[in-house]
Amino acid sequence: QSALTQPASVSGSPGQSITISCTGTSSDVGGYIYVSWYQQPPGKAPKVMIYDVNKRPSGVANRFSGSKSGNTASLTISGLQAEDEADYYCCSYAGSDTYVFGTGTKVTVL
Amino acid sequence: EVQLVESGGGLVQPGGSLTLSCTASGFTFVGYWMSWVRQVPGKGLEWVANIKQDGSEKHYVDSVKGRFTISRDNGKNSLYLQMNSLRAEDTAVYYCAKYGLGSGTSLDYWGQGTLVTVSS
Repeated sequence: QSALTQPASVSGSPGQSITISCTGTSSDVGGYIYVSWYQQPPGKAPKVMIYDVNKRPSGVANRFSGSKSGNTASLTISGLQAEDEADYYCCSYAGSDTYVFGTGTKVTVL
Repeated sequence: EVQLVESGGGLVQPGGSLTLSCTASGFTFVGYWMSWVRQVPGKGLEWVANIKQDGSEKHYVDSVKGRFTISRDNGKNSLYLQMNSLRAEDTAVYYCAKYGLGSGTSLDYWGQGTLVTVSS
């Protein structure tokens, strides 16, 4: 049950695209198509942005997209906006109805 | 509107016990798995436990096995986390969250959290 590995920080200018990686193992990210991504602004509760690797909940901007290759999942934010500044966490199913979160990435809009 | 409201947090001494509650509204509580997730202030999220719709299955992160118990009362639309033998490292904001969307493995609604501080 080790945390998934994410970069501590990623930054970009408004309008640019950024990608956050989330690296696990074959026992979690690599073994299932159940990866979700959460956005957490400072002092607030997390909000789901992507589920089942690449699906977007209703109301989430289509600038957010997800993908997976092997043991690494990725979240891409296209056309970065100031309101996207927040912490982002991946989460993967890890078998036997258990889950593991990523270490978190702070996104800064320059 | 879906709402999850946690309560029961506070200051407790090491070795002590505390029970957190989460009251749900705006959805059919009995129809969904539920979970507790915690976050040490300034740190990342950690999945703690989850429970099946009828309470027949419960799962925990290794660090709380044998000390924490998750339960639910579907008649009261409530989720609980009984925490015993508390340690300093259990200090965190505890979030109640509902599973939903697609495969049902993502947390689509979260409460605002309740802070548990373990200190002498």
